[in-house]
Amino acid sequence: GENVEQHPSTLSVQEGDSAVIKCTYSDSASNYFPWYKQELGKGPQLIIDIRSNVGEKKDQRIAVTLNKTAKHFSLHITETQPEDSAVYFCAASSHYNTDKLIFGTGTRLQVFP
Amino acid sequence: DSGVTQTPKHLITATGQRVTLRCSPRSGDLSVYWYQQSLDQGLQFLIHYYNGEERAKGNILERFSAQQFPDLHSELNLSSLELGDSALYFCASSPLPLSGGGVHDTQYFGPGTRLTVL
Repeated sequence: GENVEQHPSTLSVQEGDSAVIKCTYSDSASNYFPWYKQELGKGPQLIIDIRSNVGEKKDQRIAVTLNKTAKHFSLHITETQPEDSAVYFCAASSHYNTDKLIFGTGTRLQVFP
Repeated sequence: DSGVTQTPKHLITATGQRVTLRCSPRSGDLSVYWYQQSLDQGLQFLIHYYNGEERAKGNILERFSAQQFPDLHSELNLSSLELGDSALYFCASSPLPLSGGGVHDTQYFGPGTRLTVL
């Protein structure tokens, strides 16, 4: 069945360092890959997404890369700040009749000042 | 603020009871998705409604049901509640119609309803 694996489960970095979170998906028909940030007590918030027709997308300090052949995609956060501390989820979606999202298990990122 | 609202924020009830969770999508959004977030299962897709019609079911128990009303708000009904149903329940909305081959649209999540079954 559809599955998304996410690593690492926890990540601690010093403020200013970079953080990388990796995901692998199983469904080769997946063609949309969003990343969500979830802070304590809040719902997931979309931070960046990528569609299968591009290999990389950047938005200020955040970037996502996609390797369709290997079926993996990664989130890169540069110049991390304490407010980046949260749980990050990757997801994959393919549409046959629905755009349901299959989520990874989450990465808890802690940025220490 | 995503523009998606969910009520109530917290719900505490007993086993065997029935509850209703409500979701109002962003203005103009036609699709509503329900997800369950638990510690051991992560974020799991439950069900998708588009413009009042059920489009897909995920890992949704038979004790659970949902509907989307003409004003596009949606309700998730959970009955015969068990301890294991304790979780966060999120709805998400997106605007574009499905085409079976079209472009995915962003799903915007609400703040969730925390359900505790005692």
